Amino acid sequence: KAGVTQTPRYLIKTRGQQVTLSCSPISGHRSVSWYQQTPGQGLQFLFEYFSETQRNKGNFPGRFSGRQFSNSRSEMNVSTLELGDSALYLCASAGVAGANVLTFGAGSRLTVL
Amino acid sequence: GENVEQHPSTLSVQEGDSAVIKCTYSDSASNYFPWYKQELGKGPQLIIDIRSNVGEKKDQRIAVTLNKTAKHFSLHITETQPEDSAVYFCAEESSNFNKFYFGSGTKLNVKP
Repeated sequence: KAGVTQTPRYLIKTRGQQVTLSCSPISGHRSVSWYQQTPGQGLQFLFEYFSETQRNKGNFPGRFSGRQFSNSRSEMNVSTLELGDSALYLCASAGVAGANVLTFGAGSRLTVL
Repeated sequence: GENVEQHPSTLSVQEGDSAVIKCTYSDSASNYFPWYKQELGKGPQLIIDIRSNVGEKKDQRIAVTLNKTAKHFSLHITETQPEDSAVYFCAEESSNFNKFYFGSGTKLNVKP
């Protein structure tokens, strides 16, 4: 079965712009999480959605937001981009409630110039 | 729950040797501890996990041990092969379901 698909894989933006990243989970998975990966901070939790509701949120500023659609696909948005937002953004999906095993996508690499 | 310490940061072994990576955590309420392998250009891939009701789990050449009293867990890879070369991450699930804290990663290099 298809894995977790993230688009776009690579993108370059300039400071002040905004960006939207997309994630399609494994078919049947209703939980979608987002993580930011940087060399300095490692993998940091952004937020998690289940059935279109945000269940958990990490310690990121309000410029980082997300949503989940009825088909479980998710998007995350970063507004007013800063240089420090350059990172690999990873999406992970998990199965039915009670199954907290994450399957990650390949990530979207964002470069902010 | 926010502090997962992982050691070493880099590990170089000869093919066929064993490799051990250790992690410590702070939240005594944590019950689920997965390990991920990340290869260049890819997302992390789950390789093994352990829940707090067991002390050890093994899957072929890979094993994980958990000491809840000491709050540490370890990944053991035996008979290492060059394809084991990657970055390995430990993780701890927080008290919030599906919210994970990750270690800083260990870059494993297996020399042929």
